[in-house]
Amino acid sequence: GIQVEQSPPDLILQEGANSTLRCNFSDSVNNLQWFHQNPWGQLINLFYIPSGTKQNGRLSATTVATERYSLLYISSSQTTDSGVYFCAVSPRGDYKLSFGAGTTVTVRA
Amino acid sequence: EAGVTQSPTHLIKTRGQQATLRCSPISGHTSVYWYQQALGLGLQFLLWYDEGEERNRGNFPPRFSGRQFPNYSSELNVNALELEDSALYLCASSHRGLSYEQYFGPGTRLTVT
Repeated sequence: GIQVEQSPPDLILQEGANSTLRCNFSDSVNNLQWFHQNPWGQLINLFYIPSGTKQNGRLSATTVATERYSLLYISSSQTTDSGVYFCAVSPRGDYKLSFGAGTTVTVRA
Repeated sequence: EAGVTQSPTHLIKTRGQQATLRCSPISGHTSVYWYQQALGLGLQFLLWYDEGEERNRGNFPPRFSGRQFPNYSSELNVNALELEDSALYLCASSHRGLSYEQYFGPGTRLTVT
């Protein structure tokens, strides 16, 4: 099956800092999503981005499908940005999501 | 617009019992997916239902089963519970004909003692 690798596994930031999370995947995809898992476990949709670039407030994402990677940018981080960020993909011809192991982000005041 | 809902929020069962988890998709969505998040194992795909049919299942034993009802809501049943079934079970929905994007519910935390 498709492999999804996220880096770094852990990230500690000072409030106000910028950061970049990376997701590498091993095959062509028809779906790539970034999620933030809240403390209660729910996955919050950040971006649906199988290709291209999107921005939503302080967050933005870029997927380069031909090179099989995606980047999530967090700017001017806040303590509320803390949590686990997951990248998930569906390979072409499939609908189920395969998840990376996640990046745990800790933002310190 | 109401999001994906799941019930119950928490469920405590004894080894060997059966558990039933429920999910209601976003209105208009025809596909329902189930995922398991067990400690140390990450998020794993369990089952996919669309238009009342099981379309795909992950690498889980047959005691994990489910169904999708005519109103597109879904039920996940886990028979002969084992301690390692303790996990957060997440349901997601999508409109297969319009977009691949999946939206997740708040989850059911199953504890097997």
